[in-house]
Amino acid sequence: DVKVTQSSRYLVKRTGEKVFLECVQDMDHENMFWYRQDPGLGLRLIYFSYDVKMKEKGDIPEGYSVSREKKERFSLILESASTNQTSMYLCASSLGTSGTGELFFGEGSRLTVL
Amino acid sequence: GENVEQHPSTLSVQEGDSAVIKCTYSDSASNYFPWYKQELGKRPQLIIDIRSNVGEKKDQRIAVTLNKTAKHFSLHITETQPEDSAVYFCAASITGGFKTIFGAGTRLFVKA
Repeated sequence: DVKVTQSSRYLVKRTGEKVFLECVQDMDHENMFWYRQDPGLGLRLIYFSYDVKMKEKGDIPEGYSVSREKKERFSLILESASTNQTSMYLCASSLGTSGTGELFFGEGSRLTVL
Repeated sequence: GENVEQHPSTLSVQEGDSAVIKCTYSDSASNYFPWYKQELGKRPQLIIDIRSNVGEKKDQRIAVTLNKTAKHFSLHITETQPEDSAVYFCAASITGGFKTIFGAGTRLFVKA
């Protein structure tokens, strides 16, 4: 069974703080993704990576950066958290170089920025 | 870029009835259409998918249909049960494109 683990289920941060969200997958998947989930907006893609040290912008990359130093780990970074980044963040991984296929999601990290 | 619209946003049915959720997409190059189910407090999980070379796919009580000409696809759940209550997301992607674009979601309530 594929396991995608997000390090923190709940975080509360203050405006301007730097925030790290960590994601680890244990199935040797090439592709990893960060999505943001907001009510009525579905899941929106922030960044993705198809290989170690590779990263590509998704649809809403502003205010975020990512890091993929190892194949199994993909980190989302909020350099200076703002209240409009309060949201549920979902990490996902997928197998293969086609770019399509089943996404395996983590449990999510609910971030509140005060 | 691709845009996926999903309707309705909320759907309430009686146990045993059928439920239909509809999605449209904008990019005619999209060729993979998955559906995810997210139970309350849980992660989204794939329940069924369809590729553009197929018009319909079934898996027990769920089925998905695809109309490439009209650029819309639908999820059909028959004989609904209380455990079908969840949020359902449709999505679209292009082979080699890596981006999976999701609809806004449909919250399905199945009343016992």
